[in-house]
Amino acid sequence: DQQVKQNSPSLSVQEGRISILNCDYTNSMFDYFLWYKKYPAEGPTFLISISSIKDKNEDGRFTVFLNKSAKHLSLHIVPSQPGDSAVYFCAAKGGAGSYQLTFGKGTKLSVIP
Amino acid sequence: DAGVIQSPRHEVTEMGQEVTLRCKPISGHNSLFWYRQTMMRGLELLIYFNNNVPIDDSGMPEDRFSAKMPNASFSTLKIQPSEPRDSAVYFCASSPPGKNIQYFGAGTRLSVL
Repeated sequence: DQQVKQNSPSLSVQEGRISILNCDYTNSMFDYFLWYKKYPAEGPTFLISISSIKDKNEDGRFTVFLNKSAKHLSLHIVPSQPGDSAVYFCAAKGGAGSYQLTFGKGTKLSVIP
Repeated sequence: DAGVIQSPRHEVTEMGQEVTLRCKPISGHNSLFWYRQTMMRGLELLIYFNNNVPIDDSGMPEDRFSAKMPNASFSTLKIQPSEPRDSAVYFCASSPPGKNIQYFGAGTRLSVL
């Protein structure tokens, strides 16, 4: 059973437009969510995170939105740049004392110049 | 900071051979994680160490897999004997005390022929 789902394997966006990557989860015990970006032949790198007590967190061009009632989060990238082309992973952590991150399978974003 | 360092970056071996993957976590980090990434299953946690002690090895697929952390700056993941289905990218990650973010190495791409 996949507790963290990224239903879109790929997404193409024009440079300068908004990229929206989506993630759904099933475990209501998750209390912290992270987005990682991965380039080919590199490890995932941390991008942005959000605690379950918030509904939005912003860092420059990147904003993560959390809708707890829908068990849904999204990553917005505005404006999108060609260097943003990568695979994006959504990850979730369980309750207090938990250490494990559960990852989605990733969405490959292509930003077209 | 050099980040999490993994070696080798690529490993090609024949079925039945022993394989040892190495990881040096970020200095000061007290948690270390080994992951395996495959197309079918995505990123899966294999084992988690805290303060050099294995806390959760429930993700280790079989007795052929073993991991050690003899000190705070070194960990190994060993597969003996290796099988073609072990072919995957293996990532090591570390995190600092009390923090949710995990920092990944560049990974080891293992091919078992």
